[in-house]
Amino acid sequence: QVTLRESGPALVKPTQTLTLTCTFSGFSLSTSGMCVSWIRQPPGKALEWLALIDWDDDKYYSTSLKTRLTISKDTSKNQVVLTMTNMDPVDTATYYCARISHTSHCLWDAFDIWGQGTMVTVSS
Amino acid sequence: QSVLTQPPSVSGAPGQRVTISCTGSSSNIGAGYDVHWYQQLPGTAPKLLIYGNSNRPSGVPDRFSGSKSGTSASLAITGLQAEDEADYYCQSYDSSLSGRDVVFGGGTKLTVL
Repeated sequence: QVTLRESGPALVKPTQTLTLTCTFSGFSLSTSGMCVSWIRQPPGKALEWLALIDWDDDKYYSTSLKTRLTISKDTSKNQVVLTMTNMDPVDTATYYCARISHTSHCLWDAFDIWGQGTMVTVSS
Repeated sequence: QSVLTQPPSVSGAPGQRVTISCTGSSSNIGAGYDVHWYQQLPGTAPKLLIYGNSNRPSGVPDRFSGSKSGTSASLAITGLQAEDEADYYCQSYDSSLSGRDVVFGGGTKLTVL
């Protein structure tokens, strides 16, 4: 059974750096074709893609947020970490991690399994 | 403003058929990139409903179907049930001079009357 679980602070102050961890089970990120991505959703708003890392350690970022994001993986711990710098109240959202088991390219394929999400509020 | 455009809301009575459109452009859907659909029940994470334009993951009822033509895609739900009341999102990939991104639609709220 594939599961993903997000963890991190529920509250961060403006200008601080957010660090989120996605801990997963049921698959290995060292297996060819496996990828993990981060997506966020502000309250009452649409989904927004943030970043993706693949089995080969290739990393992809949202064009609008790439200067603030860093994604990394620890294959031995089955974890993917996302950092977002210079947090602002508009970054208040539920942050999800999701798996892609790609058939063509991870950026083109569907997120087949999602974590439950973690709510992050940015406020002083 | 989302790169993929969806109607904010649709509604239908139990048993009816509804469709949700997802309109893109030549840099995403029209470029041949696949469209995927997700269902998000209130207070829960999104769930994959349709992948690769028209394929259903195991466990998704065949009341849900997807199609794609040109720069648009559609999700159809037949035999509408109360449990289908949720938000629905389309997703694709966009490659243009301004960047390369995974993109989502703005979401459509389905109300079962």
